[in-house]
Amino acid sequence: AQSVSQHNHHVILSEAASLELGCNYSYGGTVNLFWYVQYPGQHLQLLLKYFSGDPLVKGIKGFEAEFIKSKFSFNLRKPSVQWSDTAEYFCAVNFPDMRFGAGTRLTVKP
Amino acid sequence: DTGVSQDPRHKITKRGQNVTFRCDPISEHNRLYWYRQTLGQGPEFLTYFQNEAQLEKSRLLSDRFSAERPKGSFSTLEIQRTEQGDSAMYLCASSPFAPTNTGELFFGEGSRLTVL
Repeated sequence: AQSVSQHNHHVILSEAASLELGCNYSYGGTVNLFWYVQYPGQHLQLLLKYFSGDPLVKGIKGFEAEFIKSKFSFNLRKPSVQWSDTAEYFCAVNFPDMRFGAGTRLTVKP
Repeated sequence: DTGVSQDPRHKITKRGQNVTFRCDPISEHNRLYWYRQTLGQGPEFLTYFQNEAQLEKSRLLSDRFSAERPKGSFSTLEIQRTEQGDSAMYLCASSPFAPTNTGELFFGEGSRLTVL
């Protein structure tokens, strides 16, 4: 069955630290991949997406993600986090209906 | 505001009561989705509509749940005989129909249900 796994439930970082959040999916076919972010008290919004082409995609606010097909992974990265990045991050895969991982709560300490 | 709007934002009800949530999608979006989110989990797909047609329903959607989109615009999600396990955030999302559909979903702020 198709599924999306996020490895980290809660990540705590200090400002300026580098971030990498893991995401793996199980499905052998073609997929579209997404990262959504939910800031405290706000609705889910798109951070970045991958459809085809360059497997390294850049999103808003300095985030990027790399699609590694052989590893069924789509990890999210940011070289230097800010306090304002404190949020919950969800990996999602279009199977074609959109399925989400359980989310990773990121806390950035000032 | 031209985003997805949901009403009410928070509903507290007693077990056994019926509740209804409304979602108004972005006006030019043909597709409308309902998800449920519980604490510590990602959104779980419930159902989706293309215009007024309900095209897919999750097994999570028991027969106590019904969703409609009668005119292809707003949608309602009704839960009958609520149970404490129904307590969750109910999220609505919309997206435009292909070929303009990039797969991105536009979410509302959700309707939080608390069943006492």
